[in-house]
Amino acid sequence: AQSVTQPDIHITVSEGASLELRCNYSYGATPYLFWYVQSPGQGLQLLLKYFSGDTLVQGIKGFEAEFKRSQSSFNLRKPSVHWSDAAEYFCAVGAGGSQGNLIFGKGTKLSVKP
Amino acid sequence: NAGVMQNPRHLVRRRGQEARLRCSPMKGHSHVYWYRQLPEEGLKFMVYLQKENIIDESGMPKERFSAEFPKEGPSILRIQQVVRGDSAAYFCASSAMDAEAFFGQGTRLTVV
Repeated sequence: AQSVTQPDIHITVSEGASLELRCNYSYGATPYLFWYVQSPGQGLQLLLKYFSGDTLVQGIKGFEAEFKRSQSSFNLRKPSVHWSDAAEYFCAVGAGGSQGNLIFGKGTKLSVKP
Repeated sequence: NAGVMQNPRHLVRRRGQEARLRCSPMKGHSHVYWYRQLPEEGLKFMVYLQKENIIDESGMPKERFSAEFPKEGPSILRIQQVVRGDSAAYFCASSAMDAEAFFGQGTRLTVV
């Protein structure tokens, strides 16, 4: 069965430090992979997505992610975190057929220290 | 172009009442998806609809839950005879065919 695992429930980083959020997936075929961000009380905003091609994907707000098939991973990175990046981050895999039918991980909550 | 609009943002229902959640997709989008988010959990897919058709309802509970997306008007997620376990945030997303899905801000349902 398809699944997404985000091993870190909560991460705290200092403003200006680099960030890496982990995501592992289980999927039989080539996956469609997504990262979303959710601010408190808000909906989800798409940061980036991977379908095929270059395994390093650039997204909005300075985020990038790298697809590693051998490790079944799609980790999200940012070289320098800003206080406004504090939010919850969700990794998702396409369940097939459309970009809206997704299987989400449980999320990683990011806190940023001044 | 307004985003995906969900209303109400907050809904309180007593046990046994009905809850109706509305979702107006973005202009030009004919695909709608409903998700449920329980506390400390990720979003769980419930149902995928196109105009007047249910495409995939594999995530919908078998009883008390129904969804529709009529030819005119918003998509409706209906929960009959609500119980405390239905308390959650319900998110709607919409997309054009084979395109990125955009999420609404959600409806937070509290059953008292």
